[in-house]
Amino acid sequence: DAKTTQPNSMESNEEEPVHLPCNHSTISGTDYIHWYRQLPSQGPEYVIHGLTSNVNNRMASLAIAEDRKSSTLILHRATLRDAAVYYCILRDYNYGQNFVFGPGTRLSVLP
Amino acid sequence: DADVTQTPRNRITKTGKRIMLECSQTKGHDRMYWYRQDPGLGLRLIYYSFDVKDINKGEISDGYSVSRQAQTKFSLSLESAIPNQTALYFCATSDWTSGVQETQYFGPGTRLLVL
Repeated sequence: DAKTTQPNSMESNEEEPVHLPCNHSTISGTDYIHWYRQLPSQGPEYVIHGLTSNVNNRMASLAIAEDRKSSTLILHRATLRDAAVYYCILRDYNYGQNFVFGPGTRLSVLP
Repeated sequence: DADVTQTPRNRITKTGKRIMLECSQTKGHDRMYWYRQDPGLGLRLIYYSFDVKDINKGEISDGYSVSRQAQTKFSLSLESAIPNQTALYFCATSDWTSGVQETQYFGPGTRLLVL
């Protein structure tokens, strides 16, 4: 399985944008980039996913580097509720691989 | 009502006891999963089931067994609990037919303490 590398922790101020990086230098052409987050005392929840093009949804934006060796999850205006562990996951759609959750990035949002 | 429910939410047991954690879903998904999470770590896959007749071992299946009683129910058993199985356990479901859009939906978790 291709691996991802994320910072252990990040801090942000409330109502400011947050850029959460993920490195995946061994990504293959058929790996999709998925992001999940885990709020305190809850199970993980889906945030966003993409293959090559940048993606936007109501929760966040996903910016994917042109060489696909890195990506960035963007929260446009962090709220206290966004404090969570964010997981960047690669998954090869062709092989139906399972999701592999690494330790993720713990995001703290300061009021 | 929650789409993925887990019972119990908290459980304390003693070493050597057999316990069962239960998961039910109302999402109509074919695939179900059991993960464990240790403090400060990500989730590790224990077992997964693609349908009622298809059960597969995950990364850390030793010491665990599962039963897929119906499309909606997937149980995890610890045959003889040991202290290093103390962890947070999550059940999840996904809909493979959605293809690349496949998303996992997680239950609220069961916190297990083995004394």
